[in-house]
Amino acid sequence: DQQVKQNSPSLSVQEGRISILNCDYTNSMFDYFLWYKKYPAEGPTFLISISSIKDKNEDGRFTVFLNKSAKHLSLHIVPSQPGDSAVYFCAASSLIQGAQKLVFGQGTRLTINP
Amino acid sequence: ETGVTQSPTHLIKTRGQQVTLRCSSQSGHNTVSWYQQALGQGPQFIFQYYREEENGRGNFPPRFSGLQFPNYSSELNVNALELDDSALYLCASRVANTGELFFGEGSRLTVL
Repeated sequence: DQQVKQNSPSLSVQEGRISILNCDYTNSMFDYFLWYKKYPAEGPTFLISISSIKDKNEDGRFTVFLNKSAKHLSLHIVPSQPGDSAVYFCAASSLIQGAQKLVFGQGTRLTINP
Repeated sequence: ETGVTQSPTHLIKTRGQQVTLRCSSQSGHNTVSWYQQALGQGPQFIFQYYREEENGRGNFPPRFSGLQFPNYSSELNVNALELDDSALYLCASRVANTGELFFGEGSRLTVL
């Protein structure tokens, strides 16, 4: 039961253009969403988050949009830079037995072409 | 730099053996979680410890167990290793009731 889905395993974008990564979820109890970035041989690094009471959160080149009715969130990176090439995971937060658990998508490999 | 360090970075075990993976969290991070990331998949929640007690577990059997110590370090123990336990094991810590998890670089376990 994949509660968080990233349907695009990979995405290739030209440097300077906008990168849009998408994520869908099924559990309406999720109330906090995060994006993580992962380079090879490193652990995931927190990028940006959004609470379910908001529909947009912006941090520099990164903006996350949340559409609760569609159970969909997206990460926009503009302008894209070569250093943005990595695997991006979206994650949703839920409580299990009082503990916060993150449910991750499968990841999208973003490649920024010069 | 997340302030979360894990050891060992890589290890190889054989089926049936036991393994202990270690994690050192940032000072003040009283909540630690462990995740398993299989190849090509996102991390999956194993369990969480808060103040040295397990307070949440994902869909993993009891042969996966853990410990959390007062000095912000923790361990993940896996008994009776199976081939499917081959994965990257990630430790993540945070201050309780805050959203962001800080991940270590992971321990890659290969079971032969």
